[in-house]
Amino acid sequence: QKEVEQNSGPLSVPEGAIASLNCTYSDRGSQSFFWYRQYSGKSPELIMFIYSNGDKEDGRFTAQLNKASQYVSLLIRDSQPSDSATYLCAVKVYGGATNKLIFGTGTLLAVQP
Amino acid sequence: DAGVIQSPRHEVTEMGQEVTLRCKPISGHDYLFWYRQTMMRGLELLIYFNNNVPIDDSGMPEDRFSAKMPNASFSTLKIQPSEPRDSAVYFCASSRTGVLNQPQHFGDGTRLSIL
Repeated sequence: QKEVEQNSGPLSVPEGAIASLNCTYSDRGSQSFFWYRQYSGKSPELIMFIYSNGDKEDGRFTAQLNKASQYVSLLIRDSQPSDSATYLCAVKVYGGATNKLIFGTGTLLAVQP
Repeated sequence: DAGVIQSPRHEVTEMGQEVTLRCKPISGHDYLFWYRQTMMRGLELLIYFNNNVPIDDSGMPEDRFSAKMPNASFSTLKIQPSEPRDSAVYFCASSRTGVLNQPQHFGDGTRLSIL
């Protein structure tokens, strides 16, 4: 079982709709969770992080975390064609000398005009 | 503030040649990470440093790969000898020590092609 799993997609949504991106992780000791966006040919850029159960909102983006179910999601409201990219879920393993992110393979989002 | 700076942006070389990738982390960041990204395997952590000391190199594929961080503002990833299967995008990232929400900031990457 992979440590961080995402559906590779592509996830296709119409412009203006809500895009829902999902991620599961295997290590119950994981403490914080990050969503990165990566445009084709570019580097990953941070969108949001979350470390407490529940929802965290930032503009059109909402991250949701459920540690009991080992599940984290990203909702994008009012999706725009410019949101079309690969979204990477990353889980932080932190403690002692360890401080690293484990990335999922990403979900490709395509927002149709 | 300047971001993570990587060089070169692109490298094309023949199999068997030595390849050296360079990275300058964000000033004040004490963690530095080297990643490799391919379509098949996604983003893989190769090695990371804390205060210039290698902490975890379990992702380094084999002895042909080596990484150094001689000071807080410079790191290299070297492949010798290079092979076609090493072709990938190599990213460097840096972050601060600390609490749960310290993100990693990525450089623009080096696109490596081994012929």
